[in-house]
Amino acid sequence: DADVTQTPRNRITKTGKRIMLECSQTKGHDRMYWYRQDPGLGLRLIYYSFDVKDINKGEISDGYSVSRQAQAKFSLSLESAIPNQTALYFCATSDHQGYGYTFGSGTRLTVV
Amino acid sequence: AQSVTQPDIHITVSEGASLELRCNYSYGATPYLFWYVQSPGQGLQLLLKYFSGDTLVQGIKGFEAEFKRSQSSFNLRKPSVHWSDAAEYFCAVLPADYKLSFGAGTTVTVRA
Repeated sequence: DADVTQTPRNRITKTGKRIMLECSQTKGHDRMYWYRQDPGLGLRLIYYSFDVKDINKGEISDGYSVSRQAQAKFSLSLESAIPNQTALYFCATSDHQGYGYTFGSGTRLTVV
Repeated sequence: AQSVTQPDIHITVSEGASLELRCNYSYGATPYLFWYVQSPGQGLQLLLKYFSGDTLVQGIKGFEAEFKRSQSSFNLRKPSVHWSDAAEYFCAVLPADYKLSFGAGTTVTVRA
């Protein structure tokens, strides 16, 4: 099994729908992150969590929310999806020192 | 402002030729430095990383990178590219806040 698992791998949803992307990890890392990838923009940080009770906004958090249900689980929600949220989403974890990042395989989200 | 710059959006190289991808960063102190590769339809794979010590770093798949403090650069090189090196390459930095920050990426096309 992968160290960082993202579900679903692909999703097509309609404008205005609520959608949740899930991430689980077996690395035992405290720190978890959600990134969004867009062509020509690289990966940008949406939200991050340094432990179960810690949630922080990244550079592009508007329109998103997260939930850290346990050390191993970190979910990203789009409360009301819009087309410009069409992107590839990556979950990542890192150790306490922040050096060893591990990425999931990504979720490709299309909002129509 | 803190930033990671990859000046080349797209590079085309002949198979067997050398490749160099540029990366410059702007941070108050030298961050930790990384190069990732993303093959078409795939997730991110770590090529190499620099924390300290020898400024020439060897990575996987025959890649190497050189850290130059005076130029705030961390350029990626490969002496002889293979068709399988066609991918998107991302430079990333880990500053003191432990949030990994990415450049916009460079797409490499390999022609026969």
